[in-house]
Amino acid sequence: AQSVTQLDSQVPVFEEAPVELRCNYSSSVSVYLFWYVQYPNQGLQLLLKYLSGSTLVESINGFEAEFNKSQTSFHLRKPSVHISDTAEYFCAVSGSARQLTFGSGTQLTVLP
Amino acid sequence: NAGVTQTPKFQVLKTGQSMTLQCAQDMNHNSMYWYRQDPGMGLRLIYYSASEGTTDKGEVPNGYNVSRLNKREFSLRLESAAPSQTSVYFCASSEGGGRKRNIQYFGAGTRLSVL
Repeated sequence: AQSVTQLDSQVPVFEEAPVELRCNYSSSVSVYLFWYVQYPNQGLQLLLKYLSGSTLVESINGFEAEFNKSQTSFHLRKPSVHISDTAEYFCAVSGSARQLTFGSGTQLTVLP
Repeated sequence: NAGVTQTPKFQVLKTGQSMTLQCAQDMNHNSMYWYRQDPGMGLRLIYYSASEGTTDKGEVPNGYNVSRLNKREFSLRLESAAPSQTSVYFCASSEGGGRKRNIQYFGAGTRLSVL
């Protein structure tokens, strides 16, 4: 069995400030990790993924996440956020089965 | 590029009514999934189909049935809707065939209210 914990349900931050959205997981097997983003009234879009190799992964719009096996974490960071980053962010883990297990989500609100 | 298409986008039902949510993908994916999204609970898997002709229960299957009509289409049926099934429903698809190919792509969702 696997589970995902997103500790912060709401994260307000001012424009151009840095942000970190936290994700911790538990699993008895090796995992693949994902961050998805959901803009208002839309479906989920894949933001970035860790499958193997380098533990630091980056997206095309400036987000990055680091897989930390010892701390079982996959936190999402961005050094300078924009208004357009306002959305809900979901961390997800894929373990031994094909299924994804999602966290409860973090609403990022970027304030002007 | 259509990707994953869900119909309808919105639906209001009365308790006890039935309906079918439709999902189609044009990416030649083997695996398809149905999730529900409720506030503060993330997405929970209802049913999935690893390949054409197979379906399996997920975390919350009670009150739902599914049909994998062909490789492209995967429908979700509510036989007798209940207010607890008020939710946003998402369909997703993936290549399948192993975890590395299990990157899931999502539709825009169906917002269902049961009165």
